Amino acid sequence: KAGVTQTPRYLIKTRGQQVTLSCSPISGHRSVSWYQQTPGQGLQFLFEYFSETQRNKGNFPGRFSGRQFSNSRSEMNVSTLELGDSALYLCASSRGEGAYNSPLHFGNGTRLTVT
Amino acid sequence: AQKITQTQPGMFVQEKEAVTLDCTYDTSDPSYGLFWYKQPSSGEMIFLIYQGSYDQQNATEGRYSLNFQKARKSANLVISASQLGDSAMYFCAMREKKAAGNKLTFGGGTRVLVKP
Repeated sequence: KAGVTQTPRYLIKTRGQQVTLSCSPISGHRSVSWYQQTPGQGLQFLFEYFSETQRNKGNFPGRFSGRQFSNSRSEMNVSTLELGDSALYLCASSRGEGAYNSPLHFGNGTRLTVT
Repeated sequence: AQKITQTQPGMFVQEKEAVTLDCTYDTSDPSYGLFWYKQPSSGEMIFLIYQGSYDQQNATEGRYSLNFQKARKSANLVISASQLGDSAMYFCAMREKKAAGNKLTFGGGTRVLVKP
């Protein structure tokens, strides 16, 4: 069974540009969450989607957005990039919603560098 | 307030020895799950072990075991017989039932370096 797939693995963008990251969850998983990991702030929750609906959102500016498609694949978009957006962006999937005893399964991440 | 605290930023451990990684947590929700993840330099977060708040026994998964002390709100990870491939960052994380969706709250992590 294929794991969570994130593309691309690496991205280099300049300030002011926008970027789209993609995530394909494990087959059968309907929930997709996104996390940002930086050396200073650690792992921070961005948002979560289930059945194409955003169910939860972290404390990030509106420049960060996402969506989920009918096949559960998800994309996140960051507009007007800032240097501080340089980070590892991790996508995680799980089968259902609200099962607090169910682990999230993560992808390899997309490493974004903003210059 | 910090919900998950990992007080050891980094640790050295000799190959074949055991190592304990500390994790304390804070929640008022009686229903919660505690998770440990391993993150090698490649970046992927690998799920290791889970402990539920109502579990009576400590969780074990191969060389990984969890020392769960509910009253002290601690969930320490024990890695037995360390291997060179265990060198990585380790994160403790929590999911609360009352929290919406599948949000995980992570600790700051502990970097483990296994010496040959």
